[in-house]
Amino acid sequence: KAGVTQTPRYLIKTRGQQVTLSCSPISGHRSVSWYQQTPGQGLQFLFEYFSETQRNKGNFPGRFSGRQFSNSRSEMNVSTLELGDSALYLCASSLDTSGANVLTFGAGSRLTVL
Amino acid sequence: GDSVTQMEGPVTLSEEAFLTINCTYTATGYPSLFWYVQYPGEGLQLLLKATKADDKGSNKGFEATYRKETTSFHLEKGSVQVSDSAVYFCALSAAGGSYIPTFGRGTSLIVHP
Repeated sequence: KAGVTQTPRYLIKTRGQQVTLSCSPISGHRSVSWYQQTPGQGLQFLFEYFSETQRNKGNFPGRFSGRQFSNSRSEMNVSTLELGDSALYLCASSLDTSGANVLTFGAGSRLTVL
Repeated sequence: GDSVTQMEGPVTLSEEAFLTINCTYTATGYPSLFWYVQYPGEGLQLLLKATKADDKGSNKGFEATYRKETTSFHLEKGSVQVSDSAVYFCALSAAGGSYIPTFGRGTSLIVHP
């Protein structure tokens, strides 16, 4: 069974530009979460979508946004890029939202902002 | 709020050495506990989990026991291999609330031949 697919894997942008990252979850998984990973801050939760609705949101500015489509695929967008947005962006999908919920992660999209 | 504290790395070991990576947590109620591993160039993947006190999760020679009395979930392996070199994340998922996992900062393990 196919895993979580993230595209693009690598991208380079300049300050002020915007970027859109895509995530295709495992078939049947309705919850999609996004994380930002940096050496200094570790893994930071961005937001979680379930059935096209944003259910949880982390502590990031409004420049970070996302959405989920009816087929559970998700996109996240970062506008007005800053140097500090350089990071590995990880998407994870899961089957349900029980307390023992296991996340399946994609390989990530590595964003470099120059 | 919920939090996870892991020992800082990197942890550097020789092949066949014993591994312990400490993890302690703060949470209300009875969370589920997880260890995820991230190999170079990849996303995180579940290594093992435990959902109630005294449960032992195990996988690929790694073990961790859910200790409620000490709020700990230390990861151990009796004999590490070079292929175990990776970053290990301890995480918890609260029984109530949003179920969004809380992750530790990660511990880098480097195993030398």
